[in-house]
Formats: sequence, structure tokens, C-alpha cells
Amino acid sequence: AQTVTQSQPEMSVQEAETVTLSCTYDTSESDYYLFWYKQPPSRQMILVIRQEAYKQQNATENRFSVNFQKAAKSFSLKISDSQLGDAAMYFCAYRSDGGATNKLIFGTGTLLAVQP
Amino acid sequence: ETGVTQTPRHLVMGMTNKKSLKCEQHLGHNAMYWYKQSAKKPLELMFVYNFKEQTENNSVPSRFSPECPNSSHLFLHLHTLQPEDSALYLCASSQEGGGPSTDTQYFGPGTRLTVL
Repeated sequence: AQTVTQSQPEMSVQEAETVTLSCTYDTSESDYYLFWYKQPPSRQMILVIRQEAYKQQNATENRFSVNFQKAAKSFSLKISDSQLGDAAMYFCAYRSDGGATNKLIFGTGTLLAVQP
Repeated sequence: ETGVTQTPRHLVMGMTNKKSLKCEQHLGHNAMYWYKQSAKKPLELMFVYNFKEQTENNSVPSRFSPECPNSSHLFLHLHTLQPEDSALYLCASSQEGGGPSTDTQYFGPGTRLTVL
């Protein structure tokens, strides 16, 4: 069975600085998707970024980028020029590509605080 | 974010009550999901519906009863709940089987449920 591990329960960053959130996963599959979701205090879970495992190029979305290391099964999220609005719980998630299930497997989350 | 809506946002119920949670997606998706989010635990997938058919029941107790009358609406009927069922219940939807942004799940704001 697949698992997702986020080893940093809490992180803190100064406004305008860069922070990296860690995520590792375990799978025997070769094709899958990886996601980072953000859940601010208002509770709405928002997609931050998505990566297809077959793509070697790291996904980027404005200030958000990932470092996807398939062999190491690592999928870290880098937030550049951190803003107060980036403060939230961040979840890493895994999902198989195709197959019989749509199931998303989540990590336990990292709570990011942004200091002014 | 109005792609996936959930009502009510907050619900307090006694253990003998019967209530229902409602989810509606306005994204034209063909799959819908119920998740349970408890403090300090990863999100737990409860049910998956593809094309209105239930395709996954993640060993959920029978006091939770889902209903999917069409691909835009999903309900979670609750009866004789226990205090440990208190949690945030999240609904999500996705487009399965091809097309832009396929397989990515979009979440509603959640219903905060308290069982007394």
C-alpha cells in the first residue's frame, strides 16, 4: 500500500523569504500523480500544484515550485517570496494513475506560519 | 471558491438525531468523494462515486449513508452518530477519464460536525 510522509509538523518563515516543505512517499507503482494542497484557517482545501510522475520537469505555479526526485520518492514544495497569505496547513497527496481507484492518499500535513 | 459547495457549514447534533450533509459541484465533474478530517490525522477517504455509482466504501460504519442522485449532488446521511464522529467532513469532485486537469480533486469548504 502507498504511504505519504510529511516529517515537519510545523514550519515558520519570514515574509519575503523562501521555505521548503518536505514530503516523501512509498509506492511500487511507476505511474502516479503527486499534489500539494493548501488549507488556510478558513478550511477550504485549495490545490497548489500537481506533478505527473512521468514528467521529469518539475512543476511550477508562480511562487510555488516542486523538487520531484522520483528515485528517492521525494516531492518537496518550495515557496518563494513568502507572503502572509501563505500561512496555512499544507498537505502532500499521492494518487495512482489509472487503475481501479481514484483514491488520494494524504500526509499528515505541515502547518506553515509566516512571520511579518 | 464556489466550484464545490457544502451545506451546512456547521452542524451540532445529538447521538439520536438524523441529519444530512449536502455537497454540490458546479464543475461538470463525473466523480465525487466524501472525506473525514480529524485533528492530527491524515484525511480519510470515506466514499467514492463515479458516474453516480459508488465505487469505493472505505470500511465506513453504516451510521454514515451516502447518496448520489446525480453527478452534481452528493449527500451524507447521518444517524445515531458517536462523539468520535465529530470532525470536519469534506466533499470533493474530479473529472475522471481524460481531459484537462483530469484526476485532480477539488474540495468544498467542509462541514464542521459536532456530536454531543
